[in-house]
Amino acid sequence: AQKITQTQPGMFVQEKEAVTLDCTYDTSDPSYGLFWYKQPSSGEMIFLIYQGSYDQQNATEGRYSLNFQKARKSANLVISASQLGDSAMYFCAMREAYGNKLVFGAGTILRVKS
Amino acid sequence: SAVISQKPSRDICQRGTSLTIQCQVDSQVTMMFWYRQQPGQSLTLIATANQGSEATYESGFVIDKFPISRPNLTFSTLTVSNMSPEDSSIYLCSVDGLAEENEQFFGPGTRLTVL
Repeated sequence: AQKITQTQPGMFVQEKEAVTLDCTYDTSDPSYGLFWYKQPSSGEMIFLIYQGSYDQQNATEGRYSLNFQKARKSANLVISASQLGDSAMYFCAMREAYGNKLVFGAGTILRVKS
Repeated sequence: SAVISQKPSRDICQRGTSLTIQCQVDSQVTMMFWYRQQPGQSLTLIATANQGSEATYESGFVIDKFPISRPNLTFSTLTVSNMSPEDSSIYLCSVDGLAEENEQFFGPGTRLTVL
């Protein structure tokens, strides 16, 4: 069974600094995808970044990058140059095959301090 | 990318009543997913809705409580039946990316409070 673990219930970061949000996963399927979403207080789920299990390079999207360590089964999100608007809940999720459901971690609340 | 709308955006309901949530996508999609997010919790899949077939429910969710319709490739409804305060949650619909497998999009969610 799929499992996603986010061990940091909450994180603080100073504005303009970088922060890493941890995510580990467990699956026996060699083909899977890893997603990160941002959920502000409004409740919407904003897609940030995706990493496929066969991707050779770490995914990047603007200030977001994914530190993918396949052997360790970790997919940490790195946010560079944090902004006050980055304050939100962040979820890591995994999908074992296209068309299948996403399984979510418990989430990490990020607070950016000015 | 897919643009997903949900109605209503929020509602306050009395226990014992039912609420139907609508999800509209701006493109045809094969599969639509319904998730629930209880207060302070993560997202949990309720069911997967394919057009032309019965929805597939996850463990712990039953059709009598959460009936789903999928009349066409752009629309689905989720009904929360005989509501209790424990049903107070955000309900979100989701679809896979249309051209890329590396996308899965969510609607804005329906914030339900049951008194």
